[in-house]
Formats: sequence, structure tokens, C-alpha cells
Amino acid sequence: ETGVTQSPTHLIKTRGQQVTLRCSSQSGHNTVSWYQQALGQGPQFIFQYYREEENGRGNFPPRFSGLQFPNYSSELNVNALELDDSALYLCASSLGLAGNYEQYFGPGTRLTVT
Amino acid sequence: KQEVTQIPAALSVPEGENLVLNCSFTDSAIYNLQWFRQDPGKGLTSLLLIQSSQREQTSGRLNASLDKSSGRSTLYIAASQPGDSATYLCAVRPASGGGADGLTFGKGTHLIIQP
Repeated sequence: ETGVTQSPTHLIKTRGQQVTLRCSSQSGHNTVSWYQQALGQGPQFIFQYYREEENGRGNFPPRFSGLQFPNYSSELNVNALELDDSALYLCASSLGLAGNYEQYFGPGTRLTVT
Repeated sequence: KQEVTQIPAALSVPEGENLVLNCSFTDSAIYNLQWFRQDPGKGLTSLLLIQSSQREQTSGRLNASLDKSSGRSTLYIAASQPGDSATYLCAVRPASGGGADGLTFGKGTHLIIQP
């Protein structure tokens, strides 16, 4: 059974650019969540996708957007990058939408904005 | 708004000691609580998941308890080893959003086990 995978591992972008991060969910999981973890902080919830629809969003501006595909893989897009967007971006998948399902995390993508 | 606090922020102990990490949360309406381990620059490894109806979970040298009514959880690590050195994160899944809310995390406890 393959776990959650993310690509790329590291990324360097310039302020104002756009970036796309990718996540493949664990086999059989139809729900994907994205988190942002700034240095020295706990992860913060960005949004959650279930069956290709956004279902739940944290306190992040609209320039953070996402997609989920029929195979349940997902993308996180960030437009108009700011220096404060530099962080580790984590993807997590779960068996379903119910709140009692465990979330399984990928290794993360380290984004640096200069 | 749910808030999660972890105490202490950092801890350094000699190898072999038993230790306790603390987590508190402000809203008792949760689905579950998870403890994670994070090595520097890496993703999160789930250690233990406690559903809201449970009081504790055990895995090897780890034991986690949950007192939902008082908004507290502890992670007990027995016979600590240098390989246990990492940041330990506590997270709750709020029930107020009907499953639409993600996990709310604490800032973590940075643990160093001295050989």
C-alpha cells in the first residue's frame, strides 16, 4: 500500500509568481486536506477536498486554491506569492469526510519565496 | 475558536527517563485527538489517535490519555531513547464543523534525549 506522496520536495519562487504543489493520496482515500507549516509553528489548515469539491476552508485568502481529480490526487495553487508564504506545505488524506477518520500525512513540500 | 497549547515548548532529558508531554485544548467538542512526531524538515508521523469516546491508547513505549471534559491530553514516553528526539505535535479535530474543519495543531514540544 502506497502512502501519501507529494511533489516537488523543494521549490524556490520569486515574490509575485504562482506555484502549484501536488499530492497523491493513500490508496482508497477520497479526502485530501492541505496544511501550511511556518518555521517553528504547528501546521495550519488551508482547505479540504472531498470527491473533487472543496469542503471546508481555514483562514486563508482566495489566492490559495485547489483541485481534486477523479483519482483523488490533489493540487494546491498559490497565486501572487508573498514572502510569508515560505513554509512547509503538507498534504493529508483520509478514508472519508467523517471527522473521526484518521489523517495520514505526506512528507511535505518546502516552498521558499525570495 | 479552538486553540491547542503544548507544554513544555522544549524538553531535554537523559536517556532512559520516563517523560510526559502535555496538550490542552479550549473546546471539548472534538472528534478525536492525534499525537504526531516530526523530525527536522520532515513530514508528520502519526503516533496515536484517540477517538472522543476513548480514554487512552497505547503503542509500544507510548501511551496517550484523553480527558475531553477538562480539555487535556498527555503523551507518556517510557524508557526514552536518543532516537525519540524530535518535535511532538498534538492536534484535535473539531466537531463543530461537522467534519469540514481540519486538524487544529499546537506548536509542539521539542524533545531532546541526551545519550
